[in-house]
Amino acid sequence: QSVLTQPPSVSAAPGQKVTISCSGSSSNVGNNPVSWYQQFPGTAPKLLIYENNKRPSEIPDRFSGSKSGTSATLGITGLQTGDEADYYCGTWDSSLSVVVFGGGTELTVL
Amino acid sequence: QVQLVESGGGVVQPGRSLRLTCSASGFTFNSFTMHWVRQAPGKGLEWVAIVSSDGSNKYYADSVKGRFTISRDNSKNTLYLQMNSLRAEDTAVYYCAKDLYLWGQGTLVTVSS
Repeated sequence: QSVLTQPPSVSAAPGQKVTISCSGSSSNVGNNPVSWYQQFPGTAPKLLIYENNKRPSEIPDRFSGSKSGTSATLGITGLQTGDEADYYCGTWDSSLSVVVFGGGTELTVL
Repeated sequence: QVQLVESGGGVVQPGRSLRLTCSASGFTFNSFTMHWVRQAPGKGLEWVAIVSSDGSNKYYADSVKGRFTISRDNSKNTLYLQMNSLRAEDTAVYYCAKDLYLWGQGTLVTVSS
């Protein structure tokens, strides 16, 4: 049982948009910056979004992040088959003094 | 180029110890917080431990507290994870990560008799 809650899976057609939610509490998402990671099978996670909505320079602007209250959202527009991967949110939990991750969301591009 | 390379993984019997190493290059190692994160086969990410840039502050996941020790040698640009009293449930790929922004490729630890 992860501290942060993500949907196990989402799907959409190529070219469409999808959002992935990450729900937490005031001790984590509500008061700390959220990051998002993309992971392909057999490879290391890759940072997609940091500090809620910032993208590393190499990440295309099809990927976006937002946060409101104790929930964060990853958005992906112009879906491509190459976007099929697992996506994780993560942040610091101030009450537990640990990093917490969501359980991960598997994206399928139909 | 900026790089993290883990080593030290392998097969170990329950109750034994193992030390993982993460060699950093391409950035000012002593300026950054470092983490260990693991991923059991077919499972999600599980954070393990964090150490501050100067090594003075450390935090651990409850699942490893008292058994694992994170440390760093800034003179060698190297991060360590000493794992004692290993259990079957510690079987995972272990990643080191710089600020959780840059990740290594991981090293597999298998705890089995």
